[in-house]
Amino acid sequence: GAVVSQHPSWVICKSGTSVKIECRSLDFQATTMFWYRQFPKQSLMLMATSNEGSKATYEQGVEKDKFLINHASLTLSTLTVTSAHPEDSSFYICSALRQGASGYTFGSGTRLTVV
Amino acid sequence: GQNIDQPTEMTATEGAIVQINCTYQTSGFNGLFWYQQHAGEAPTFLSYNVLDGLEEKGRFSSFLSRSKGYSYLLLKELQMKDSASYLCAASNQAGTALIFGKGTTLSVSS
Repeated sequence: GAVVSQHPSWVICKSGTSVKIECRSLDFQATTMFWYRQFPKQSLMLMATSNEGSKATYEQGVEKDKFLINHASLTLSTLTVTSAHPEDSSFYICSALRQGASGYTFGSGTRLTVV
Repeated sequence: GQNIDQPTEMTATEGAIVQINCTYQTSGFNGLFWYQQHAGEAPTFLSYNVLDGLEEKGRFSSFLSRSKGYSYLLLKELQMKDSASYLCAASNQAGTALIFGKGTTLSVSS
């Protein structure tokens, strides 16, 4: 149980284009999902907290107009990187929260490369 | 502020025991987590401690001292496949995101 599916696993896009990453909880409902970014040899940095039916809460320094988050249902959150630039190349990981204090489940991650 | 510290790198040999330490400072406390992460992959859950003491799970054990803001992950009978990054993460409040340390890269050699 407690599976989170994240797609795509990897994507290469041109500078200036937009990329959408999906995070789905397959066997539980997640009112809260988290989006992290991880640069090489660094740890996971929280970008935003996504709550179903409401606006996402962004961490300081994360541009909300560049990283659009939509959490329209209890099983799906999406992160859209708009007008991507090479510096946005990173590993993006979502995490869904299920009931219980230890209930954090991670997606498999998306490797984004902007060329 | 919130801060999680752990060593950057550690090395060990097959069959040995290694202890990875983590100290944390958070505004609140709702549990301490350890994850294993192989390069290019998402973290996988190893352990969760919310009460003081030792939790044992096969070759892996995790310890927590809330008064000291300290935890460790103990790996026994090391195998080559244990070479990975080990992430210490804290939850400061129920329902909020985990705060991660920078990770400890463990290299296991034969």
